[in-house]
Amino acid sequence: GENVEQHPSTLSVQEGDSAVIKCTYSDSASNYFPWYKQELGKRPQLIIDIRSNVGEKKDQRIAVTLNKTAKHFSLHITETQPEDSAVYFCAPQRERDGGTSYGKLTFGQGTILTVHP
Amino acid sequence: ETGVTQSPTHLIKTRGQQVTLRCSSQSGHNTVSWYQQALGQGPQFIFQYYREEENGRGNFPPRFSGLQFPNYSSELNVNALELDDSALYLCASSFNRGFSYEQYFGPGTRLTVT
Repeated sequence: GENVEQHPSTLSVQEGDSAVIKCTYSDSASNYFPWYKQELGKRPQLIIDIRSNVGEKKDQRIAVTLNKTAKHFSLHITETQPEDSAVYFCAPQRERDGGTSYGKLTFGQGTILTVHP
Repeated sequence: ETGVTQSPTHLIKTRGQQVTLRCSSQSGHNTVSWYQQALGQGPQFIFQYYREEENGRGNFPPRFSGLQFPNYSSELNVNALELDDSALYLCASSFNRGFSYEQYFGPGTRLTVT
């Protein structure tokens, strides 16, 4: 099965700094790469995603970059704010598994981001 | 917030009992996936339902089963509960157009097995 690793496991930054979280995956058939944000006691929230035919995608302060050759993708948050503090998960997905087309997200272990005011 | 809802919010059961958790998908979505999230870990895929049939399964034993109804809502059933089944159970809805991207999660059901 897919092995997914995130680094770092914890990240502490000052408000206004940038934060980068890297996700490494093993399944070369993965073709969809989302990032989820989960605040304490709440649901995972899809914040940005990218598909394998695109190298970079940006949405305001958040961006995702993909390197399919090296099998990793990264979440970039600029101008961090205290409300960005949460656990961030990457969850690569392949479109098909054998003859079955379905969406199985394989989550990393999570990165705890703390933004200090 | 997504339009995905789950019930109940919290549940306490005894080892050996059975439990049913419910999920209503977001309007326009036809696929529901279920995940188990143990404390301090990422969610793990249990299975997915599409067109009222199981459409993919993770590494969970057969005592984890599910249903999907014509209105696309879904149930997760767990028989013979074990202490390790204590977790947050999340459902996620999506629209399957030959593949399912963009899964949106419900708030989860916190299950405690004593």
